[in-house]
Amino acid sequence: QQPVQSPQAVILREGEDAVINCSSSKALYSVHWYRQKHGEAPVFLMILLKGGEQKGHEKISASFNEKKQQSSLYLTASQLSYSGTYFCGTVGNAGGTSYGKLTFGQGTILTVHP
Amino acid sequence: NAGVMQNPRHLVRRRGQEARLRCSPMKGHSHVYWYRQLPEEGLKFMVYLQKENIIDESGMPKERFSAEFPKEGPSILRIQQVVRGDSAAYFCASSPLAGGTYEQYFGPGTRLTVT
Repeated sequence: QQPVQSPQAVILREGEDAVINCSSSKALYSVHWYRQKHGEAPVFLMILLKGGEQKGHEKISASFNEKKQQSSLYLTASQLSYSGTYFCGTVGNAGGTSYGKLTFGQGTILTVHP
Repeated sequence: NAGVMQNPRHLVRRRGQEARLRCSPMKGHSHVYWYRQLPEEGLKFMVYLQKENIIDESGMPKERFSAEFPKEGPSILRIQQVVRGDSAAYFCASSPLAGGTYEQYFGPGTRLTVT
């Protein structure tokens, strides 16, 4: 089942902060975050794993609440280049045998103005 | 260190024709995933392949669509007898190993337009 992202859209001024949430109804093994600009490929930002391990972008932080199956992406001191659509992708906890198939949320559109 | 490569970047086909989309994974990556993105929508998983094997094709339409990843050469997504509803961006992604622990790197996509 598709994870649900909120909010659907955010408008910021440069320097402001934003939080994007991703919620799943099923047990998760990992959450992956991507940013996509219009007409381009999704760009990997971060992975959050069960057990607390994180891998990804130095300037971006995120959290993963395993009990609630929720993840949040924190964008601080936003820059114009942060504009784009943010997707979370989830990997289900299929008995520990997940092979990386991502189920994506519907996306959150972030617009940063000067 | 080349990234994931896809070609063609844009493909126009008339209804009923065949579309062949190619994906060369990053060097050292032997796991390939194909995703489809309809206009203004998110990405939907189609198929996961390793060299010479289809591991999971649960997201592929049962008819007209097929995928392969031969021992030599790129992975190919093939759509036979295309219809207007096949118009979308098709992305492939590769990863070094299987499992949800590893990041997937996406190619630039092939934008298919069916007229």
